[in-house]
Amino acid sequence: NAGVTQTPKFRILKIGQSMTLQCTQDMNHNYMYWYRQDPGMGLKLIYYSVGAGITDKGEVPNGYNVSRSTTEDFPLRLELAAPSQTSVYFCASNAGGPAAFFGQGTRLTVV
Amino acid sequence: GENVEQHPSTLSVQEGDSAVIKCTYSDSASNYFPWYKQELGKGPQLIIDIRSNVGEKKDQRIAVTLNKTAKHFSLHITETQPEDSAVYFCAATDPHAGKSTFGDGTTLTVKP
Repeated sequence: NAGVTQTPKFRILKIGQSMTLQCTQDMNHNYMYWYRQDPGMGLKLIYYSVGAGITDKGEVPNGYNVSRSTTEDFPLRLELAAPSQTSVYFCASNAGGPAAFFGQGTRLTVV
Repeated sequence: GENVEQHPSTLSVQEGDSAVIKCTYSDSASNYFPWYKQELGKGPQLIIDIRSNVGEKKDQRIAVTLNKTAKHFSLHITETQPEDSAVYFCAATDPHAGKSTFGDGTTLTVKP
């Protein structure tokens, strides 16, 4: 079982560029989440989804967009990258129960 | 919304000693409290959890306690080993939305 897979693992963006962080899970989980983790800080929720076609904002949604066209995939879109978006991004999923399975993370640097 | 505070931010112990990490939460509706271990370069991994109808739970060297009245919960690691060195996160979960609010983490260092 692959679990939660994130790509890419690392990325450097220039200010104003856009990119999509990919997340896919093979556990047939309904709930999926995107978090960012800044140095020395906990995880802040960006967006989440309770099922295909349904998304909602978390604590820090500004500058990001998501879509959930299938159960498996939950991509995170950055439209105009800013230095403040330099962070490590984690995707997670669960079946509606409390435990969350996390991906390995994407380290993004905006210069 | 929910607010979770975690203390201490760093903790250094000698191998074999115990380690205790404490968290407080604000929303009385939270009813599930997981603890995650994050090793360098990896995603958080669930190590133990507790529900609000339970006061204590143990799994080998790890235990978690919950005081629902005071809104605080703690992680206890006994007989620490160097491989316990990692960042530990607590979280409080809103049962209706399935969302967790995380503490800022505790960096645990176990010295051989």
